[in-house]
Amino acid sequence: ILNVEQSPQSLHVQEGDSTNFTCSFPSSNFYALHWYRWETAKSPEALFVMTLNGDEKKKGRISATLNTKEGYSYLYIKGSQPEDSATYLCAFSYTGANSKLTFGKGITLSVRP
Amino acid sequence: NAGVMQNPRHLVRRRGQEARLRCSPMKGHSHVYWYRQLPEEGLKFMVYLQKENIIDESGMPKERFSAEFPKEGPSILRIQQVVRGDSAAYFCASSLTKEDYNQPQHFGDGTRLSIL
Repeated sequence: ILNVEQSPQSLHVQEGDSTNFTCSFPSSNFYALHWYRWETAKSPEALFVMTLNGDEKKKGRISATLNTKEGYSYLYIKGSQPEDSATYLCAFSYTGANSKLTFGKGITLSVRP
Repeated sequence: NAGVMQNPRHLVRRRGQEARLRCSPMKGHSHVYWYRQLPEEGLKFMVYLQKENIIDESGMPKERFSAEFPKEGPSILRIQQVVRGDSAAYFCASSLTKEDYNQPQHFGDGTRLSIL
């Protein structure tokens, strides 16, 4: 059974705080790691797709890193804003089933103004 | 450019009826994926289809569930003789190519299925 673990499960921060989330996944047969942002009543929105060990990607105040050897990825949000409130999902795929994403349960972020 | 379109958004069925969920991928996308989110659970992969072909159905329940993606028209996820445990949100996603799995999957808004 392939599990993706995300922590913490939920996070409540003050506007302006920086946050980071962890996603752990099996390191063997790794193919790609995806991060999604999911707002209530909307569809999941793709943030990053990372494939190489040591990859770092950035989109505005959000960035992500990848360590495929130890099986984890970090998502950072610098200077959180209320509009960052959402559930952040990570999902990984492995060689032999490249298209099939295995998702974590997500991390729910709430940013207080 | 329209995103992934799913309909209906909400579907109510009585036990024993059939449920049909539709998904139109993004324009130009020929790869469709179905995921299910049970209450208090994460998204779980069900099936991956290309036009007229089922590529991976390893996440589909063995009975009552089927999926198709015909040459023309939307992808359909069909659940026969629904039971209460089928109540869930069903999400469809599409992607551009198969050769480059660095492409993200783009999701629709989902269909919330409720079984009475």
